[in-house]
Amino acid sequence: GAGVSQSPSNKVTEKGKDVELRCDPISGHTALYWYRQRLGQGLEFLIYFQGNSAPDKSGLPSDRFSAERTGESVSTLTIQRTQQEDSAVYLCASSSNLVPRISNSPLHFGNGTRLTVT
Amino acid sequence: TQLLEQSPQFLSIQEGENLTVYCNSSSVFSSLQWYRQEPGEGPVLLVTVVTGGEVKKLKRLTFQFGDARKDSSLHITAAQPGDTGLYLCAGPGRGKLIFGQGTELSVKP
Repeated sequence: GAGVSQSPSNKVTEKGKDVELRCDPISGHTALYWYRQRLGQGLEFLIYFQGNSAPDKSGLPSDRFSAERTGESVSTLTIQRTQQEDSAVYLCASSSNLVPRISNSPLHFGNGTRLTVT
Repeated sequence: TQLLEQSPQFLSIQEGENLTVYCNSSSVFSSLQWYRQEPGEGPVLLVTVVTGGEVKKLKRLTFQFGDARKDSSLHITAAQPGDTGLYLCAGPGRGKLIFGQGTELSVKP
């Protein structure tokens, strides 16, 4: 079946511009996660959704970052007034259950959006 | 704050060698997972360990969960170039998965 799809796969933008990143989770997955990964490093949690609500936004780096999810499906991560330090790969993942029921429902990741801010 | 520390951060070895990657925390985790990530792709789950002291094998990979559920290890026997990638350990936090910083493994033929 179809996996998690992210678009665009690559995005180059000028400093100060806004960008919108899209994630299409696996159909029926109620939990959706956004992570940021800097080059060669681990994953930094940004935000998660249970259905369309976001109980934990603690990982968003600043108020320039926002995310929404509609129809318990597609999610968009928006970065306003991009800065060079926002350059990274943004990964989306979905699962059928919310962590910590992790042994029953692992996270399925998309291939990410590589964002470069010039 | 729950943190997972991985070591080593980088590992470059020759084909056929054995290696061990460690994942440590001062916190107790109900379970730990190991993921492998190749360039340009998202992480892919390798294994989940749930019980303290548990050992799981996946072909040449052996995963162990510490008795106190604060640490885990990944041992690869007779590494092959196809094992090259970023290995990440992860554990459940409050509604989210917490990741270590990863071990970048390079296996040279």
